[in-house]
Amino acid sequence: GAVVSQHPSRVICKSGTSVKIECRSLDFQATTMFWYRQFPKQSLMLMATSNEGSKATYEQGVEKDKFLINHASLTLSTLTVTSAHPEDSSFYICSARGRKALSNSPLHFGNGTRLTVT
Amino acid sequence: GENVEQHPSTLSVQEGDSAVIKCTYSDSASNYFPWYKQELGKGPQLIIDIRSNVGEKKDQRIAVTLNKTAKHFSLHITETQPEDSAVYFCAASPPNSGGYQKVTFGIGTKLQVIP
Repeated sequence: GAVVSQHPSRVICKSGTSVKIECRSLDFQATTMFWYRQFPKQSLMLMATSNEGSKATYEQGVEKDKFLINHASLTLSTLTVTSAHPEDSSFYICSARGRKALSNSPLHFGNGTRLTVT
Repeated sequence: GENVEQHPSTLSVQEGDSAVIKCTYSDSASNYFPWYKQELGKGPQLIIDIRSNVGEKKDQRIAVTLNKTAKHFSLHITETQPEDSAVYFCAASPPNSGGYQKVTFGIGTKLQVIP
């Protein structure tokens, strides 16, 4: 159980275009989803936290107008990188926590999306 | 906020030997400590976790220990196998706040098991 599916796994886009990444919880309802960014050989950097039906909470230094997050349902959250630039190239990973999760329960991660902006 | 330090950053062991990865945390309120394994090109997968009311937890070849007083916790992998080769992340999380907890990750340890 607790499977998180992330799509696409890889995407290449041209500078100035927008890219949407989807994160779905397949067998549970995710009230909270987290979006991370990971640079090569580095740890996961939390970008934002989204709760179903409300606005996302962004970490300091993350531009909310550039990284649009929508968590419209209990099984789907999307991250849209708007007006992408080469420096946005990175590995983006989502994770989710279920509705009935206990305090401090594990995060379930998707397999990540490798974004390359040319 | 919480700060998690992890070492070593890289670790090479012979197949069959043990591997130990150590982490320290700064926030004494943190009470949940998961460990994740990340293979190349994939998302992290939970391998074991421990809560602050427990000092040690074991699952087959993997064990985790926690010293709350010293604020450090360790991952122990025994009888290592080539398929254990991956990047391992420790993490620390405070008690539930506002409906979710912010998990702080260590920088990761790249483990290489040499056949």
